[in-house]
Order: sequence, then C-alpha cells, then structure tokens
Amino acid sequence: DAGVTQSPTHLIKTRGQQVTLRCSPKSGHDTVSWYQQALGQGPQFIFQYYEEEERQRGNFPDRFSGHQFPNYSSELNVNALLLGDSALYLCASLDPRQGQVSGYTFGSGTRLTVV
Amino acid sequence: GDSVTQMEGPVTLSEEAFLTINCTYTATGYPSLFWYVQYPGEGLQLLLKATKADDKGSNKGFEATYRKETTSFHLEKGSVQVSDSAVYFCALSESSNYKLTFGKGTLLTVNP
Repeated sequence: DAGVTQSPTHLIKTRGQQVTLRCSPKSGHDTVSWYQQALGQGPQFIFQYYEEEERQRGNFPDRFSGHQFPNYSSELNVNALLLGDSALYLCASLDPRQGQVSGYTFGSGTRLTVV
Repeated sequence: GDSVTQMEGPVTLSEEAFLTINCTYTATGYPSLFWYVQYPGEGLQLLLKATKADDKGSNKGFEATYRKETTSFHLEKGSVQVSDSAVYFCALSESSNYKLTFGKGTLLTVNP
C-alpha cells in the first residue's frame, strides 16, 4: 500500500516565478494538509483540504493557494516566489475513520529552492 | 495561540545511553499530543501519541506520558541505538481545529 506520494522531489525556481507541487494521499484518506518546513525548523501549517474545499488556513499569504481533486489528490501553488519560500513542503493525509487523533501520514516532501 | 517548546539540540549520545527530550506545550483546550521522527532525507513518521491526560504513548522502546499538570510530553528511551539518529518533533492537535502545531525539532545523534 503506497503511502503519501509527492512530486517532484526537488525543484529549483527563480524569484518571481510560480510553482505547483502535487500530492497523492494514502489510499482511503480523504483529507490533505500542506506544511512548510524551513531549514532547521518545525513544519508550519499552510492549509487543509477536505471535500475539495479549503477547510482551514494557517498564517500564509494569498500567494499560497491549493486545490483538491475528486480523487482526493491535491496541489499547492505558490505565486511570485520569494527567496524565503525556499523550504521542504510536506503533504499529510488523514484516515477519516480514525480522525486527527490517530495522527497524520506524511509524504517525503518536495524540496523547493528559490534562486 | 497554541505552541510547543522542545529542548534545544543537538543531542549526542553513545549507544545504549538513556534519552530524554523535553517538550512542553501551550494550548487553549485539551489537545492530543504526538512525537514525530524525521530520518535524513525523509518525511515525518508518527512515533507515538497520547490523547488525554495521564495517557502513555509508546512505540519501538520510546515512551512519553501526557502530563496535564505540567503541560509536558517528554520523550524517553532507556537504551538508544545508532539507528535512532534522527530529528524528533513534538506536536499537538486541538479538537477545535485541524492543524498540527510543531516544536522546532531536536536532532539526536547516537554514536557507536
């Protein structure tokens, strides 16, 4: 059983460009969250998608947007990239039968470098 | 708002030494508490969890007890191995929202 799959694994973009990151949740998981992990820091919550809608959002600017598809996969889009957006972006999915107290399953992340 | 504070790293131990990584939290309600581990080049893996006061989470020899009176969830292991070398994150989740709030992480290095 595949876990959470993220693509690409690494990405280099130029300041001002736009980027799209992709996530396929674990089979049977219907909820997807995105986190930004800067070097040497803990992950920071960006937003969560459920039933194709953004359910909750963290303290990130509108340059960060997302989407969830009917098959529960998700995309994270970042516009007008800044050097400070360089980070590991993690996707996490949740088993609806157990709820959030069971803990999330994380992907290995996409390492974004903005130059 | 919610916050998690972990002991500063890095922590370097010899194999078979005792491990403690301190974690305290601030939350408005009664959160669930977690320890996640991140091995080099990988995402986070759930190590253990506790959902209410006095619960003890355990896995792979690691333990942590939910202490409401001291708002703590310290991670312990009696005898660490080289393979335990990783970054450990303490986290909480409130039932009133859907996000995980993480500490900054503690890098553990175990030498043979």
